[in-house]
Amino acid sequence: GQQLNQSPQSMFIQEGEDVSMNCTSSSIFNTWLWYKQDPGEGPVLLIALYKAGELTSNGRLTAQFGITRKDSFLNISASIPSDVGIYFCAGQKGGSEKLVFGKGTKLTVNP
Amino acid sequence: NAGVTQTPKFRILKIGQSMTLQCTQDMNHNYMYWYRQDPGMGLKLIYYSVGAGITDKGEVPNGYNVSRSTTEDFPLRLELAAPSQTSVYFCASRLSGQRRNEQFFGPGTRLTVL
Repeated sequence: GQQLNQSPQSMFIQEGEDVSMNCTSSSIFNTWLWYKQDPGEGPVLLIALYKAGELTSNGRLTAQFGITRKDSFLNISASIPSDVGIYFCAGQKGGSEKLVFGKGTKLTVNP
Repeated sequence: NAGVTQTPKFRILKIGQSMTLQCTQDMNHNYMYWYRQDPGMGLKLIYYSVGAGITDKGEVPNGYNVSRSTTEDFPLRLELAAPSQTSVYFCASRLSGQRRNEQFFGPGTRLTVL
C-alpha cells in the first residue's frame, strides 16, 4: 500500500529549539493532516490543510500545504518537554475516505 | 462527551480464536473507521463506514469483518486470529461535510496473537 515519505525518522533536540519535519509523496493529495501521538494513546489532530500553498498555525505549530500538492511541512517553534511524541502526516485524495499515513517522526526534547 | 471509546485496551488471543473489538462514539459522527498500527509504522485503514448500514473496505481488510447497525457503534470482528494480526487497533470517527476531514481517534486496543 501507498505510504508517505516522512522525515526525519527521529529527532533529539534541546528545549527551546525549533523543529522542522516534512512529508513527501509521488502523488497529489487534496488534504494534508498532521497528528501527534503520545505513548499508549490514539493520534490527536494538530493541523488540517485543505488548499495548496495554505499556511496554518496552531499555537507554536505551523504547517504548510506544498504548492505542488505532493508535500507538507510542520514546524514547531521554541520546543518544550511536552512536545515529546510521534508526529504523523496524513494525506487524503479527493473523493476518497482513505487517509495515507507517513511512518512518523519521533521527537525527543531534552530539558 | 466521552468522544471515541474502545474496549478492551489489551487482549491476548491464541491462533484461530475469534474476538470483537468494540468502538463507540457519542459525537453523532456519521463516518467511522478502523485502523491498525504496526510497530514503527503509520496507520493503515482496515474498514470504514459512512453511516449506519453502510460499510466499505479499506487498504487491509483481509481477516476482518465489520458491521454498523447504529450510528454510535462500529465493532471490528476477527474470526480466525493469526500472528500477523498482532497490532494496535484504532477506531476513529468524523462528521461529514466539506473541509471536515478531521478524524478523532480512540485510545486503541493492543492485540497480541500467539
